Amino acid sequence: GAGVSQTPSNKVTEKGKYVELRCDPISGHTALYWYRQSLGQGPEFLIYFQGTGAADDSGLPNDRFFAVRPEGSVSTLKIQRTERGDSAVYLCASSLKGGPSTDTQYFGPGTRLTVL
Amino acid sequence: QKEVEQNSGPLSVPEGAIASLNCTYSDRGSQSFFWYRQYSGKSPELIMFIYSNGDKEDGRFTAQLNKASQYVSLLIRDSQPSDSATYLCAVNRGTYKYIFGTGTRLKVLA
Repeated sequence: GAGVSQTPSNKVTEKGKYVELRCDPISGHTALYWYRQSLGQGPEFLIYFQGTGAADDSGLPNDRFFAVRPEGSVSTLKIQRTERGDSAVYLCASSLKGGPSTDTQYFGPGTRLTVL
Repeated sequence: QKEVEQNSGPLSVPEGAIASLNCTYSDRGSQSFFWYRQYSGKSPELIMFIYSNGDKEDGRFTAQLNKASQYVSLLIRDSQPSDSATYLCAVNRGTYKYIFGTGTRLKVLA
């Protein structure tokens, strides 16, 4: 079956612009995660959705970042007034339930965001 | 102190040798431990997970967990050049939240 997909694969924008990054999880997966990965670092947790609701958004760096998942499937990460420090690879992952500690996360290919 | 610590490497091993990758964690409430492999420019892919003390084997990979020492390791037997990648350790506290280490870069020399 299809894995997690993310679009676009690359996004170059100018400082101050608004961007949207999209994630399409594996069908039937209720849990969806957004991570940010900078060069030489591990994925850094941003936000977790269980169904349509953001169960934990404690990892969002500031109020310029916002994410939605209106129908419990596709999610969009929105970044306002982008800054050069936002440049990173944004990874989306999904898992079947999100609760049990052995629930496996499957990652998408990521969106590489470059803010000039 | 970081919640999950890994040596960044690179760890270089000759082809056919055993590669040993280590990870320590700070939260004693951690319950599950995951090893992901990440090729350059690609996303992480799960190798295996472990949640009980001791060893867990899957093919050429063995995960080892020692909760008393807050230590988890991954052994790769008969290392191949195709195993060259960054290996990420991730820790779960029994909920949805996973904390990742910075990864160890492994180089298997042909």
